Amino acid sequence: GEDVEQSLFLSVREGDSSVINCTYTDSSSTYLYWYKQEPGAGLQLLTYIFSNMDMKQDQRLTVLLNKKDKHLSLRIADTQTGDSAIYFCAESPSGGGGNKLTFGTGTQLKVEL
Amino acid sequence: GAVVSQHPSRVICKSGTSVKIECRSLDFQATTMFWYRQFPKQSLMLMATSNEGSKATYEQGVEKDKFLINHASLTLSTLTVTSAHPEDSSFYICSAQRLAGKYNEQFFGPGTRLTVL
Repeated sequence: GEDVEQSLFLSVREGDSSVINCTYTDSSSTYLYWYKQEPGAGLQLLTYIFSNMDMKQDQRLTVLLNKKDKHLSLRIADTQTGDSAIYFCAESPSGGGGNKLTFGTGTQLKVEL
Repeated sequence: GAVVSQHPSRVICKSGTSVKIECRSLDFQATTMFWYRQFPKQSLMLMATSNEGSKATYEQGVEKDKFLINHASLTLSTLTVTSAHPEDSSFYICSAQRLAGKYNEQFFGPGTRLTVL
């Protein structure tokens, strides 16, 4: 089955950039997503990228996709304390209706002053 | 925006009782809803896919008789944990896929913390 891996923990200083990495195994992945989960809450979609794209930038967020290596990263510029949360990457084989997401293991981001 | 609510947000029950969790899409119609389970410091595990008006599709290893799912309308899906036991204690999250939405976008509820004593 599909497998999505992430490093478990990342600590950065406020104002620095954070880079969260994700690897996946499903070569049919068409859509890749980054979600943010704050303590005791549901998931918030941050951004997504199609598999035919290499990069997507959205304000402080930059997503890089290396399809050959099946590697996805999320860069958060000027990281703030409010960015402290768990970040999940997820993949889906299709953007059509009813297709399920496979989530990564989650990376806990801690932003220190 | 697309808002999904869950009720209750937190429930504590005795072992052997049944608990119902509701998932509602407040401002859009969802033909498909998903139920996830999340253990502490772990990822979300898909339990089942719920389609309006039809039987839910359960993931391998999920007991359909224990986790009853009903998707009676385009805005409501319910998960009933029957004869709950302490090992069922977990964080249950639903998501709703917007009808004719794009990019397979799912909108997540805030989750329900179930504690079985």
